Amino acid sequence: QQQVKQSPQSLIVQKGGISIINCAYENTAFDYFPWYQQFPGKGPALLIAIRPDVSEKKEGRFTISFNKSAKQFSLHIMDSQPGDSATYFCAASTDGGSQGNLIFGKGTKLSVKP
Amino acid sequence: DTEVTQTPKHLVMGMTNKKSLKCEQHMGHRAMYWYKQKAKKPPELMFVYSYEKLSINESVPSRFSPECPNSSLLNLHLHALQPEDSALYLCASSQDYTTGGNTIYFGEGSWLTVV
Repeated sequence: QQQVKQSPQSLIVQKGGISIINCAYENTAFDYFPWYQQFPGKGPALLIAIRPDVSEKKEGRFTISFNKSAKQFSLHIMDSQPGDSATYFCAASTDGGSQGNLIFGKGTKLSVKP
Repeated sequence: DTEVTQTPKHLVMGMTNKKSLKCEQHMGHRAMYWYKQKAKKPPELMFVYSYEKLSINESVPSRFSPECPNSSLLNLHLHALQPEDSALYLCASSQDYTTGGNTIYFGEGSWLTVV
């Protein structure tokens, strides 16, 4: 049973455009939502993360929007650049230590065309 | 650059070999993890160590044997692997497994090919 659903599976965006990746979750106990960026041949790197008490978090060109009632969160990449081409994973985890592991979405392969 | 260091970066081993993957972090983190990642798939949790004790074993076959010699080191001993075990093995760490906001930092991984 997949607990974090991510879409789209792949995304092609022109340079300068906005990339949007969506995730939905089922477990209301999740309260930490990170996004990881992974380049080919490399391990995932934490990009940005949000907690459900905040509806939006922005770091540079990357913004997470969070909708607690809809159990959805999304990553927006503004002014997308070819160097942003990578696979992006959303993830979720619960507090309190009962589940210290991350539940990942299936990933979105982003290609930014020059 | 990641502060979780994994060696070797690439490993090719036969099904009868015994090898080990090594991981090291110097961030003072007390939780360390092994994940397995197949091509075009998300990472899957294998083991969690908290304060050098095994906390989670996600039903991993016994041919994978983790070891945490101290708070900075994590090993994964491999024996009698199968070709389907070929994957990217990721080590990760976080400050404390039992507290919230558990930001997990990954290493660059060890590419394992079983022939």
